[in-house]
Amino acid sequence: KQEVTQIPAALSVPEGENLVLNCSFTDSAIYNLQWFRQDPGKGLTSLLLIQSSQREQTSGRLNASLDKSSGRSTLYIAASQPGDSATYLCAVRPTAAGNKLTFGGGTRVLVKP
Amino acid sequence: DVKVTQSSRYLVKRTGEKVFLECVQDMDHENMFWYRQDPGLGLRLIYFSYDVKMKEKGDIPEGYSVSREKKERFSLILESASTNQTSMYLCASSSSTGLFGAHYGYTFGSGTRLTVV
Repeated sequence: KQEVTQIPAALSVPEGENLVLNCSFTDSAIYNLQWFRQDPGKGLTSLLLIQSSQREQTSGRLNASLDKSSGRSTLYIAASQPGDSATYLCAVRPTAAGNKLTFGGGTRVLVKP
Repeated sequence: DVKVTQSSRYLVKRTGEKVFLECVQDMDHENMFWYRQDPGLGLRLIYFSYDVKMKEKGDIPEGYSVSREKKERFSLILESASTNQTSMYLCASSSSTGLFGAHYGYTFGSGTRLTVV
């Protein structure tokens, strides 16, 4: 059974520092991995999606890497801003037809001005 | 952009009431999902549907039912609401077919905060 872990559960950094968020999964047979952002009381917003054949994806200040063999993905946020404060979740999809994502518990990020 | 719309942001219902949570997506996705999210427990899958009139139980289906009469609409039903169903409910959709359908990940709605009193 796939298990997804995000450590640490919470992180606080000063504004301008780069953020590094970790996601590990136990079964390397995944189709893709998706990073989401969730603001308090809101739904999930998709940030980046990495296919199993890819090593990384970039969008603006965000970069996500994937190492399937070691069961790890990392989300980098460059030059953090107070507006980056949120909870970040990763989720893995088992197959293209797979209907159930497995989520990590999330990392709650606070960027201090 | 794919949009998943949940009909209510906040709902307050009384114990024993029948509650309907509605979700509509506009990208012709085959798959739709209902999750609930509680502090310390993360996201838990209640039910999902991979086609019209098809449904499958998720991890915590007890006390819930679903309806999918049209491809774009997936309803979650609390037959007799109880206080332990107070939670944030999130709807999502995804595609499994098409040339790149499965490449496009999951899209979530903005959530419905349900309080049962």
